[in-house]
Amino acid sequence: LAKTTQPISMDSYEGQEVNITCSHNNIATNDYITWYQQFPSQGPRFIIQGYKTKVTNEVASLFIPADRKSSTLSLPRVSLSDTAVYYCLVGGLFGGYQKVTFGTGTKLQVIP
Amino acid sequence: DAGVIQSPRHEVTEMGQEVTLRCKPISGHDYLFWYRQTMMRGLELLIYFNNNVPIDDSGMPEDRFSAKMPNASFSTLKIQPSEPRDSAVYFCASKPGGPTEAFFGQGTRLTVV
Repeated sequence: LAKTTQPISMDSYEGQEVNITCSHNNIATNDYITWYQQFPSQGPRFIIQGYKTKVTNEVASLFIPADRKSSTLSLPRVSLSDTAVYYCLVGGLFGGYQKVTFGTGTKLQVIP
Repeated sequence: DAGVIQSPRHEVTEMGQEVTLRCKPISGHDYLFWYRQTMMRGLELLIYFNNNVPIDDSGMPEDRFSAKMPNASFSTLKIQPSEPRDSAVYFCASKPGGPTEAFFGQGTRLTVV
């Protein structure tokens, strides 16, 4: 499994765009990049997933450069309710089985 | 679907007692995962199943921990005997095959005193 590195914490003011970058230098050809969000006292929740270039949904955008060694989760105009821990995961079908392993995550604090 | 259902939501037990955590995955999901979350160690994968078969239990901390999946709709994680250092939030998650998202339950907060 590719190891991921992301900042431990970030602060942002309400209404600003937040970009969280994740490094995954040894990503494999068949790996996907997935981001989860976790609020206190809740289980992680899927945000977005991508393989290359750019993916956008109603919640966030995911930017993946051509070499795929990093990815950036972009949250537009954050609000206080976006305060959470954000996890970057890399993995996919491998040898016929799958494994979802979390890194340390980035704790995002949105400030009024 | 009601999502992944875990029970109990909270468990307080005395050291040395047996603890059983339960999980009902989303119907039709092929994979089931058990995680443990603590402040010190974050989210740790303990074990996962594919089609009810344990595939990787390398994350199970020691022999006091065991997990079973007798059918596609039920799994248990048992700790016997429990110790204070087992105190954590235990999450169950399930997912279909393919590069798809995993769905997590609300977790069981275990406190061993």
